[in-house]
Amino acid sequence: GDSVTQMEGPVTLSEEAFLTINCTYTATGYPSLFWYVQYPGEGLQLLLKATKADDKGSNKGFEATYRKETTSFHLEKGSVQVSDSAVYFCALKGRGSTLGRLYFGRGTQLTVWP
Amino acid sequence: DTGVSQDPRHKITKRGQNVTFRCDPISEHNRLYWYRQTLGQGPEFLTYFQNEAQLEKSRLLSDRFSAERPKGSFSTLEIQRTEQGDSAMYLCASSGTGGTGDEQFFGPGTRLTVL
Repeated sequence: GDSVTQMEGPVTLSEEAFLTINCTYTATGYPSLFWYVQYPGEGLQLLLKATKADDKGSNKGFEATYRKETTSFHLEKGSVQVSDSAVYFCALKGRGSTLGRLYFGRGTQLTVWP
Repeated sequence: DTGVSQDPRHKITKRGQNVTFRCDPISEHNRLYWYRQTLGQGPEFLTYFQNEAQLEKSRLLSDRFSAERPKGSFSTLEIQRTEQGDSAMYLCASSGTGGTGDEQFFGPGTRLTVL
């Protein structure tokens, strides 16, 4: 079945460091891929998405490219800030019978120190 | 529009009691989802409505769980005879159709603690 495997955390970085959080997926067909972020005390927010192979999603300096050949959707940011400290979730939405559901990874806790 | 809202935000109950949660989606959204999130895990899908029709249910949704969306607007999730294993954050999300149909907007969640 459809699933997402996400890099385990926690990840601790200094401000302005480069960030990569790995995400790989298993799905039939061509799913849509998402990164959600959960800031402390807040609900899940969509960070970025990609709906087909080679699409690049981007938002707030974060980027992720839909790589069908490696079934990956790694999240990157060139220079993290303290305000990026949050939990990041990779997710996919399959095609076909699973009309609505999102499949989430376990989440990666990011802490950025000044 | 203030986004997806959920009520209550926190619920503490004793084992064996029934609880009911409410979700109010973004007003123009016809799709509504329930998820459950336990500590250290990502959200897990429970059920999905399009308008008032419940179109998909996870095997996680045991007989003790029931969800409704009677008028295609707000939804309720009821858990009967709660067990300690039901302790989790219950998340509601909504989405529209068309070009933005892939995007699910989440509420703040209801945290359930079963003693």
